[in-house]
Amino acid sequence: QITLKESGPTLVKPTQTLTLTCTFSGFSLSTSGVGVGWIRQPPGKALEWLALIYWDDDKRYSPSLTSRLTITKDTSKNQVVLRMTGMDPVDTATYYCAHLIYGDRSFDYWGQGTLVTVSS
Amino acid sequence: DIQMTQSPSTLSASVGDRVTITCRASQSISSWLSSTWLAWYQQKPGKAPKILIYKASTLESGVPSRFSGSGSGTEFTLTISSLQPDDFATYYCQQYHSDPYTFGQGTKLEIK
Repeated sequence: QITLKESGPTLVKPTQTLTLTCTFSGFSLSTSGVGVGWIRQPPGKALEWLALIYWDDDKRYSPSLTSRLTITKDTSKNQVVLRMTGMDPVDTATYYCAHLIYGDRSFDYWGQGTLVTVSS
Repeated sequence: DIQMTQSPSTLSASVGDRVTITCRASQSISSWLSSTWLAWYQQKPGKAPKILIYKASTLESGVPSRFSGSGSGTEFTLTISSLQPDDFATYYCQQYHSDPYTFGQGTKLEIK
């Protein structure tokens, strides 16, 4: 059974760096084809794809946010970490991590999401 | 980036209705391998999205057969053959042909 869960601060101040951790079980990020991505959703708005890391450490970022994002994995801990610098109130959103298999379903398993509010 | 445009943004319908949601990609998301990299998701308030359909027309395991997807290239549809009370939600399409794996803006399906 695949599960994912996001963790991190619920409140960050403008200009601070956000660090979110996705802890998963039921799969290994060292298995060929496996990836974990981050997606966010501002309140009442649409989903926005942020970043993705694959089993081979290939990393992909949203072009509009690439200068602010870093995604890393710790295969031994079954974790993926997303860092976002220069937080702004417009970054207030629910942040999700999700599992995918390259060339298959896209995001087939999602975490419950974590709401991050950016406010001074 | 590939832009995904859904229509309509809001759809009012009744239980038992047949409804169709359209998603258009700004460029083809079908590959020479004859696969089409499009997924449909259902999202209910306060919940994570749930995948319904992948590769444009393949129904995810456990998803009711009243849901179907079709299309290729740049034009896609999600059809619900007979709306059930549990189907009132927001639906998103997503292309995963090339990164960034963009989503449509969503279609909110409301009870008429």
